[in-house]
Amino acid sequence: QSALTQPASVSGSPGQSITLSCTGTSSDIGDYYYVSWYQQHPGKAPKLIIYEVTYRPSGVSNRFSGSKSGNTASLTISGLQADDEAAYYCSSYSSINSPVVFGGGTKLTVL
Amino acid sequence: QVQLQESGPGLVRPSQTLSLTCTVSGDPISSGGYYWNWIRQHPGKGLEWIGYISYSGSTYYNPSLKSLITISMDTSKNHFSLKLSSVTAADTAVYYCARAHYPSYDLEYWGQGTLVTVSS
Repeated sequence: QSALTQPASVSGSPGQSITLSCTGTSSDIGDYYYVSWYQQHPGKAPKLIIYEVTYRPSGVSNRFSGSKSGNTASLTISGLQADDEAAYYCSSYSSINSPVVFGGGTKLTVL
Repeated sequence: QVQLQESGPGLVRPSQTLSLTCTVSGDPISSGGYYWNWIRQHPGKGLEWIGYISYSGSTYYNPSLKSLITISMDTSKNHFSLKLSSVTAADTAVYYCARAHYPSYDLEYWGQGTLVTVSS
């Protein structure tokens, strides 16, 4: 069982906006601004798309944005494109057990 | 551009020790501010953080694996390594190495991953 909770799957149509959630606790997301999001296409390594809750690495589309409220972080993808179909994982620093904890991942399907 | 590349046997026998190396190019692993991580992904499953070694050589392991793993580094070869002992079929996974910023632990650079199968 993953430390962070993500919905197993979501779907959306091209051009739509969609928000993925990631729920943790006061020992991770709730107390730290160290939330990251990763995109993983099948057979590929994960790719960092959001770090420190809201920041995008160089080269990542501004269609991806991050936020958090309380113990829940969110990733919003606007203007959905076919290539956005992938698994998305959230991660956070945690003050208990491991310093790095992941969510179980959300499979995004672009209809 | 920082690049990481995992290497090691693709098949390990049960009860043996899994040994992988991550060779880094484009950045000295002894440079400050970065932690060098191992992460694995069981087939069809999510990501599991295994542990890291810091630029100074300090280590931190996932408590669930702590008694079985050792992460070390060789700055002369600019690589770091993972050893996982007493493997079982449950350790069959794709193993990734990745560089994390400290203190945010965001994993900015990843290797391509290497599949390790535990089987007799």
